[in-house]
Amino acid sequence: GENVEQHPSTLSVQEGDSAVIKCTYSDSASNYFPWYKQELGKRPQLIIDIRSNVGEKKDQRIAVTLNKTAKHFSLHITETQPEDSAVYFCAASMVPGGGADGLTFGKGTHLIIQP
Amino acid sequence: GAVVSQHPSRVICKSGTSVKIECRSLDFQATTMFWYRQFPKQSLMLMATSNEGSKATYEQGVEKDKFLINHASLTLSTLTVTSAHPEDSSFYICSATTGGQPQHFGDGTRLSIL
Repeated sequence: GENVEQHPSTLSVQEGDSAVIKCTYSDSASNYFPWYKQELGKRPQLIIDIRSNVGEKKDQRIAVTLNKTAKHFSLHITETQPEDSAVYFCAASMVPGGGADGLTFGKGTHLIIQP
Repeated sequence: GAVVSQHPSRVICKSGTSVKIECRSLDFQATTMFWYRQFPKQSLMLMATSNEGSKATYEQGVEKDKFLINHASLTLSTLTVTSAHPEDSSFYICSATTGGQPQHFGDGTRLSIL
């Protein structure tokens, strides 16, 4: 089955700086890569996703890049703000809904924005 | 749109009790619902995949007789933790999807077994 590795486990950046979180996946059949933000005790919320036919996608301060050959994808947050502090999870699946296999999640990155 | 409601949000009960958790898609018909478990400071681990009208598919290591899943309609799936023990204490989250759309998560249920 799919295996997703995520780094770093904790990331502390100064407010206003950029943050980058990286993930690798093992199954070359995976075609859909969402990123979720989870605040303590709350539901994961989809913040951005990318499909394998696209190399980069941007939504305001958030961007995701995908290198299908190397099987890795990254989340980039620019101009970080205190409300960006949360745990971020990357995930991979063959289809957007997860298909028959659901989403395989990385272990998460605790992003801390220092004021 | 794409709201998923999960109930109850928190359960505290004695060891040996069975607990039922409901997951509802409020504004769409969910062809597939997923159940995840999340231990403190850990990632979400898929437990089972549930399709309306058919038996759930369980991940390796998840006991189907302990974690009973029923997906009776396109808007409701239930997870029953039977004879719960302290090691079953965790955060249980459902998600729902339709037609190849991204998964949307419920608010989760924090289960504490004394």
